[in-house]
Amino acid sequence: GESVGLHLPTLSVQEGDNSIINCAYSNSASDYFIWYKQESGKGPQFIIDIRSNMDKRQGQRVTVLLNKTVKHLSLQIAATQPGDSAVYFCAENAAGNKLTFGGGTRVLVKP
Amino acid sequence: KAGVTQTPRYLIKTRGQQVTLSCSPISGHRSVSWYQQTPGQGLQFLFEYFSETQRNKGNFPGRFSGRQFSNSRSEMNVSTLELGDSALYLCASSSWGDNEQFFGPGTRLTVL
Repeated sequence: GESVGLHLPTLSVQEGDNSIINCAYSNSASDYFIWYKQESGKGPQFIIDIRSNMDKRQGQRVTVLLNKTVKHLSLQIAATQPGDSAVYFCAENAAGNKLTFGGGTRVLVKP
Repeated sequence: KAGVTQTPRYLIKTRGQQVTLSCSPISGHRSVSWYQQTPGQGLQFLFEYFSETQRNKGNFPGRFSGRQFSNSRSEMNVSTLELGDSALYLCASSSWGDNEQFFGPGTRLTVL
């Protein structure tokens, strides 16, 4: 497969455990935040989003937390599965559709 | 609904050449954004087009340009290719008033 990042931080997690991926964003004017998942050879896939007027949002097996005070975003994946192995990116949107992406975190799920 | 499609999927060029990449957005989507992804710089915004007009632009040299057609399909062009232009070029589309962007599989450009 294609590598999306040679020196990405890596989170190794046991199958069935919960995963937490953290992200610091830079622009205090950003009002919309998204988490994407990217598998080898594919484009980023939308996971969940959150607007700046919220501090928590839940989806199916995923929860995003937003702390605007410290400009921190996290993604929690419950009961991590082998199919969750991928690179995860946070992105912030301050204007229009111009997304600023974080560096990414590689998640490896161990069976 | 068909997803975002990008052609070609893979491309090999030599330094100094130019290249044109194509993106067809999801039907009904009028906004198309382009991103460059490299191992060193990660995902970086190139530009966004909406209704055939460039609405946002990233910090890339003028060698990188784009356009959008009346059917919302978009092309990006890179002239005078450099080795550092080797990257995965991603296109994303969204509908008017919706921030959620849907990405295509990308075009892998290799410059030799």
